[in-house]
Amino acid sequence: QVQLVQSGAEVKKPGASVMVSCKASGYTFTSYDVNWVRQATGQGLEWMGWMNPNSGNTGYAQKFQGRVTMTRNISISTAYMELSSLRSADTAVYYCARRFSGSSRFDPWGQGTLVTVSS
Amino acid sequence: NFMLTQPHSVSESPGKTVTISCTRSSGSIARNYVQWYQQRPGSAPTTVIYEDNQRPSGVPDRFSGSIDSSSNSASLTISGLKTEDEGDYYCQSYESSNQVFGGGTKLTVL
Repeated sequence: QVQLVQSGAEVKKPGASVMVSCKASGYTFTSYDVNWVRQATGQGLEWMGWMNPNSGNTGYAQKFQGRVTMTRNISISTAYMELSSLRSADTAVYYCARRFSGSSRFDPWGQGTLVTVSS
Repeated sequence: NFMLTQPHSVSESPGKTVTISCTRSSGSIARNYVQWYQQRPGSAPTTVIYEDNQRPSGVPDRFSGSIDSSSNSASLTISGLKTEDEGDYYCQSYESSNQVFGGGTKLTVL
């Protein structure tokens, strides 16, 4: 079945960087964009950006430009999201999701990765 | 960029019908498809409606979606409410390659 499996929880200090991975299976990895969405505890969903696994092209929400980098390794069908200069406000669950190009539907989503930023 | 505004919370009794709205701040709601996601505590979101009014396989027909150009809003309607429908519901749309989520609506079935 189609699924996205993310890497495990991370604890980072302020100012550090974190990289979250998202391994795709059950479909052709290069045929769909991968998007990243985060959710702080008790808060709503916040879109971070997208990456086209075929071309490597990316697009980031203005809020994260300069701090986020989305990449991929086609050979292992895995997408990555790296966020730098972490601060406490970046503490959240980070999700990857496959995006359908016609509708922009996100499906499926990864299980989520909790990133905690604490000194 | 535009915003999508949802009510913070709604509640209704089992067996009743509830409608959650999602209002687009600028630009026509009909310009780009609207999706609806359900999120239960501790879980990732799942799609209940896509392309304004389409249900994925496995989603019961108690769930329906619509758009209303006069109010520039989308709506998710859940009929025959069940306690298992409790959770947070998010609408989502886009402009160019930018995605926008509504703030989410907490549904309580009591």
